[in-house]
Amino acid sequence: SQQGEEDPQALSIQEGENATMNCSYKTSINNLQWYRQNSGRGLVHLILIRSNEREKHSGRLRVTLDTSKKSSSLLITASRAADTASYFCATAFSGSARQLTFGSGTQLTVLP
Amino acid sequence: DGGITQSPKYLFRKEGQNVTLSCEQNLNHDAMYWYRQDPGQGLRLIYYSQIVNDFQKGDIAEGYSVSREKKESFPLTVTSAQKNPTAFYLCASSTPFWTGGGKSSTDTQYFGPGTRLTVL
Repeated sequence: SQQGEEDPQALSIQEGENATMNCSYKTSINNLQWYRQNSGRGLVHLILIRSNEREKHSGRLRVTLDTSKKSSSLLITASRAADTASYFCATAFSGSARQLTFGSGTQLTVLP
Repeated sequence: DGGITQSPKYLFRKEGQNVTLSCEQNLNHDAMYWYRQDPGQGLRLIYYSQIVNDFQKGDIAEGYSVSREKKESFPLTVTSAQKNPTAFYLCASSTPFWTGGGKSSTDTQYFGPGTRLTVL
């Protein structure tokens, strides 16, 4: 079964609003990453947070990690229509850091 | 998608045929990966290779085969034994695990644009 599970499965917001997506996982991790996928395209890496970090920022992106709850969240602030895409979390297991396990994704739609 | 190419973009296969999907990278990455993505789903790992001439099965390797004769190339063959091959196939590579100074690098993966395979 997949390690990470995103919530919600789909999210629709107005341009300018913030979008929050959550990811839960089951076992100890080395790091957790978020990727974006435009329809029919490959994935693009957004941000990586290590197991000893609690929060990380990159531009309009903010990622938090709570290892006690085995969960992470991705916040996109001031969303734009161009942010419309699927967002996936991926976990790297402790002890097997070369592999990533992907969740099923959140489909974000930003309405102009 | 920069640095990793996949071909063809679209591929059609008849029942009982083997087909090979190409993946090439010029990023000097040691590790390469093949994933399968079904509609509305996440990625599932088919095979991965951490170094030339070595590869490991992922979660759904049955009906697939790979080779890693060159660092830059990691072709995937979808054999006739794969009962439901229609899917979107993604290749990825990752940065060297150990950077200078003995510290491990991230496991960020860089993806190609994908190949959409359809069985006729």
